[in-house]
Amino acid sequence: GAVVSQHPSWVICKSGTSVKIECRSLDFQATTMFWYRQFPKQSLMLMATSNEGSKATYEQGVEKDKFLINHASLTLSTLTVTSAHPEDSSFYICSAREGREGVYEQYFGPGTRLTVT
Amino acid sequence: GQNIDQPTEMTATEGAIVQINCTYQTSGFNGLFWYQQHAGEAPTFLSYNVLDGLEEKGRFSSFLSRSKGYSYLLLKELQMKDSASYLCAVLDSNYQLIWGAGTKLIIKP
Repeated sequence: GAVVSQHPSWVICKSGTSVKIECRSLDFQATTMFWYRQFPKQSLMLMATSNEGSKATYEQGVEKDKFLINHASLTLSTLTVTSAHPEDSSFYICSAREGREGVYEQYFGPGTRLTVT
Repeated sequence: GQNIDQPTEMTATEGAIVQINCTYQTSGFNGLFWYQQHAGEAPTFLSYNVLDGLEEKGRFSSFLSRSKGYSYLLLKELQMKDSASYLCAVLDSNYQLIWGAGTKLIIKP
């Protein structure tokens, strides 16, 4: 149980283009999903928290117009990196949390490695 | 401010026991998580402690002392596949996960 998928697993795009990453909870309903990025040999950095049906809450320093997050259903959230630049190259990981009271574990997707050339 | 400290790197021998410590100072506490992350992969859930004491799960055990702001992850009968980073994370008063920088564990034959 508690499986989260992420697609694509890796993507290479040209500078200036946009890339969409999908995160799906396969066997549970995720009322809250989280988007992280991780640079090599560094810890996870939370970018934003999204609750189904409402606007995402972005962490300080994360540009909401650049990293568009949509959490349209209880099983799907998307992150779109708009006008990507080489400095956006990173490992992007989503996680999902069930809406059950007292359940706080986050289950992670396998991650998406983005390379912007 | 919120702070979670854990050693950057540890080395242990296959078959041995290793303890990875984590100390925290956060605004509120609603539990502490340990995750394992292999290089290039996403983290996987290991344990969740919200009450003081030791929770054992196979070769892995996790301990929590809320009064001391301290936890440890104990790995027994180490295997080469246990080489990974181990992340400590605290659920704060807003139910947000505050992450430590992770401890890279190197297992030697």
